[in-house]
Amino acid sequence: DAKTTQPPSMDCAEGRAANLPCNHSTISGNEYVYWYRQIHSQGPQYIIHGLKNNETNEMASLIITEDRKSSTLILPHATLRDTAVYYCIAVFKDSNYQLIWGAGTKLIIKP
Amino acid sequence: SQTIHQWPATLVQPVGSPLSLECTVEGTSNPNLYWYRQAAGRGLQLLFYSVGIGQISSEVPQNLSASRPQDRQFILSSKKLLLSDSGFYLCAWSLGVSYNSPLHFGNGTRLTVT
Repeated sequence: DAKTTQPPSMDCAEGRAANLPCNHSTISGNEYVYWYRQIHSQGPQYIIHGLKNNETNEMASLIITEDRKSSTLILPHATLRDTAVYYCIAVFKDSNYQLIWGAGTKLIIKP
Repeated sequence: SQTIHQWPATLVQPVGSPLSLECTVEGTSNPNLYWYRQAAGRGLQLLFYSVGIGQISSEVPQNLSASRPQDRQFILSSKKLLLSDSGFYLCAWSLGVSYNSPLHFGNGTRLTVT
């Protein structure tokens, strides 16, 4: 599975867009990019995933570069409740969820 | 809608005691089921997954075992706990092929072995 790298922490002002970067330079053509977040002491929550095209849902947007070596998760209007650890994961087609979870990015939304 | 229940939320057990953590899923049939463990400040480590009743795959050799006695029930067990078994245990489910099907997690069990 491709390894992903993320900054350990980021701050964002409430109401602004939060842009969380992820590098996955060794990703293969069969690997999806998934984003989850984990609020303290809870189970991770699925946010969004994509393969090649940009994706948007009610929670966020996912922008994947054309060479697929990096992606950005965008929370368009961050609220205090978006404070969490955000994980970027590359999921191989036949991985059976033997995912490599890194330490993620601790996003702190400030009032 | 689908829901996943995991209990207990917290557990303190002495070394050498047995363990049984239970997870059930409602609102779906034939889900893939997973047990993960998370050490403090770290990412998740897959322990077991199951694609059907009685079908268990182990990803990491350890002191734990898993069983799936019913379609929507997944149990994590140990005969004798070790100090190193402490951690945050998460159950999850998914539908369909793993690479295009999100995981949905329970709220976890925080296990402390003393």
